Amino acid sequence: GDSVTQMEGPVTLSEEAFLTINCTYTATGYPSLFWYVQYPGEGLQLLLKATKADDKGSNKGFEATYRKETTSFHLEKGSVQVSDSAVYFCALSYSGGSNYKLTFGKGTLLTVNP
Amino acid sequence: GAVVSQHPSWVICKSGTSVKIECRSLDFQATTMFWYRQFPKQSLMLMATSNEGSKATYEQGVEKDKFLINHASLTLSTLTVTSAHPEDSSFYICSARDITSGSSYNEQFFGPGTRLTVL
Repeated sequence: GDSVTQMEGPVTLSEEAFLTINCTYTATGYPSLFWYVQYPGEGLQLLLKATKADDKGSNKGFEATYRKETTSFHLEKGSVQVSDSAVYFCALSYSGGSNYKLTFGKGTLLTVNP
Repeated sequence: GAVVSQHPSWVICKSGTSVKIECRSLDFQATTMFWYRQFPKQSLMLMATSNEGSKATYEQGVEKDKFLINHASLTLSTLTVTSAHPEDSSFYICSARDITSGSSYNEQFFGPGTRLTVL
């Protein structure tokens, strides 16, 4: 079956540090890939997405590239801010499926200190 | 943007009672809504897929008689935890898919979650 594996947290960084959160996936087909963010006390929000190989999703300074050859979708940001402190989830889903179910990784807690 | 609400945001109940959680899409129509359960420091586990006007599809291992799902309209789905026990204590999250977006990438919009504590 499909699965998503992301690096275990927690990750603690200083402000303006470089961020990488690794995500790899196992899929039977050709899924779309997502990063969701969950701020404390809030629901999940879509951060960025990529629908096919070599696509790069980007939003709010975050980037991730869909790498089919390495089945990866690593999240990066060049300079994190305190406000980026949250839990980040990598996920996959299939376009055109009857249910569009999302399969999530376990989440990575990021804490950014001033 | 698309907004999904959940009510209540938190609930405490006694063991053996039933609790209903509502999930509403506020500014869009959703033929499909999803119910997840999130344990502390763990990922979201999909419980069931709710389609408007039809029976919900439950994931393997989820008791459909315990977690009753009703999706009566394009903007409302409810999850009822029947005869709740302490092990049902968890964070329940719903999401909804906007049918009008024409999106091919299946974006789901998530509610803020409901914290259930069963004493």
